[in-house]
Amino acid sequence: DTAVSQTPKYLVTQMGNDKSIKCEQNLGHDTMYWYKQDSKKFLKIMFSYNNKELIINETVPNRFSPKSPDKAHLNLHINSLELGDSAVYFCASSQRWPEDGETQYFGPGTRLLVL
Amino acid sequence: KQEVTQIPAALSVPEGENLVLNCSFTDSAIYNLQWFRQDPGKGLTSLLLIQSSQREQTSGRLNASLDKSSGRSTLYIAASQPGDSATYLCAVQGRGSGTYKYIFGTGTRLKVLA
Repeated sequence: DTAVSQTPKYLVTQMGNDKSIKCEQNLGHDTMYWYKQDSKKFLKIMFSYNNKELIINETVPNRFSPKSPDKAHLNLHINSLELGDSAVYFCASSQRWPEDGETQYFGPGTRLLVL
Repeated sequence: KQEVTQIPAALSVPEGENLVLNCSFTDSAIYNLQWFRQDPGKGLTSLLLIQSSQREQTSGRLNASLDKSSGRSTLYIAASQPGDSATYLCAVQGRGSGTYKYIFGTGTRLKVLA
């Protein structure tokens, strides 16, 4: 009964390819996030969605396009992959938009390696 | 711009020791601070959430304190066990940007030796 799940767990691909990472949460949460953790283990927010609406869009290249078909899913599509996109991508969710602080639940991560 | 720093970057202690992990942040205008644990190859697990109006939170052998005015938080782990070995991350939710996003520190890698 995984709370936040991501697929695939590992993704190895060539530069220039287009790939997608899927995220699903079965917690009934309203808010979902994508984070990127680089090789130095620094974790940085990329996108936040609340009730399927994009709220936070950090300085992320427009090659990255999130899509939320419903509240339980937030997918990340990446066009024209570059070497610097190699990282671990984490999906997370929280019950509500964190105005008063909400515990975030993280998925296991997707390890992307661009060759 | 909010910056979050964690010291030390790595820590190795014998089993049974009490230890303190430090987190400092540059902008005291925060909503809350969370401590997370990350195991190798795994996602993050939330350990403790401290609201800006609180000074500490406790869960089992863990105690987290928050001093907003000095921009500091500590995570105290009592009677450490090998199973506590992991990377510990703190994250602050800032008021400044109005977007409620979390800014993460770089983490402290803890190893508890049996």
